[in-house]
Amino acid sequence: NAGVTQTPKFRILKIGQSMTLQCAQDMNHNYMYWYRQDPGMGLKLIYYSVGAGITDKGEVPNGYNVSRSTTEYFPLRLELAAPSQTSVYFCASSYFLAGKTPFKGTDTQYFGPGTRLTVL
Amino acid sequence: QQQVKQSPQSLIVQKGGISIINCAYENTAFDYFPWYQQFPGKGPALLIAIRPDVSEKKEGRFTISFNKSAKQFSLHIMDSQPGDSATYFCAASMRGNTPLVFGKGTRLSVIA
Repeated sequence: NAGVTQTPKFRILKIGQSMTLQCAQDMNHNYMYWYRQDPGMGLKLIYYSVGAGITDKGEVPNGYNVSRSTTEYFPLRLELAAPSQTSVYFCASSYFLAGKTPFKGTDTQYFGPGTRLTVL
Repeated sequence: QQQVKQSPQSLIVQKGGISIINCAYENTAFDYFPWYQQFPGKGPALLIAIRPDVSEKKEGRFTISFNKSAKQFSLHIMDSQPGDSATYFCAASMRGNTPLVFGKGTRLSVIA
C-alpha cells in the first residue's frame, strides 16, 4: 500500500492564481482531512470528509474548497491565492466504524508527506 | 480559542536523558489523546495514544501520563536518543472520530 499520497511536493504560485492540491489514499479509509501547518502554529484543520459526497468545514476553511466524489481522492482547491496561504499542506485519512471504536484501528490518522506552497 | 495548549515550544535534552512534553486541554468531552511525531520534511505519524480510563500508557521508551482531574497529559521519552529529535504534537478528540485538535508542537533536540 502507498498509504496517503500528495502531489505536488512543492509549488510556487503568484497572487491571484488558482491550483488544486491532490490527495489520494489506498487504504479504503472513509475519513479524509486537509490540514495546514505554519511554523510554531501546529496543524489547523481546513476541511474534512466522512465519506464520498460529504464534506465539512474545519477551523480555517476560508479561501479553500474541497470535493469528495470517491473514497480514494480528496482534492483541495485554492482560488485566488494569497500570501497568507503560504504554508505546508497535509492530507490525512482514517477509518471509523460507527458503533465500534477499537482503540487504535479507527482513531489513527495517517498523514501524507505534505505539499509546500509559496504564494508570492 | 486554543483547546489544547502544549509546552514547551522547544526542548534540548542530553542523550540518555528524559524528555517531558506537557499538554493541557479545556474540553472535558475529549476522550482520545494521541501524540504525533514529525520528522523534518515528513508528515506527522502516530506515536502513542491514551484514553481517559487509564492514567498511564507505556510503549517502549515512550510513556503517556494522564491526569483527568487536572485536564493534563504528558509525553515522557526515557533514554532519549538523537534519533528522537523531531517535532512532537499532542492532540485530542471526542468519541465518534471527530477531527483532532492539535497543540502547537514541541521541537525536541537530543544532543550527544
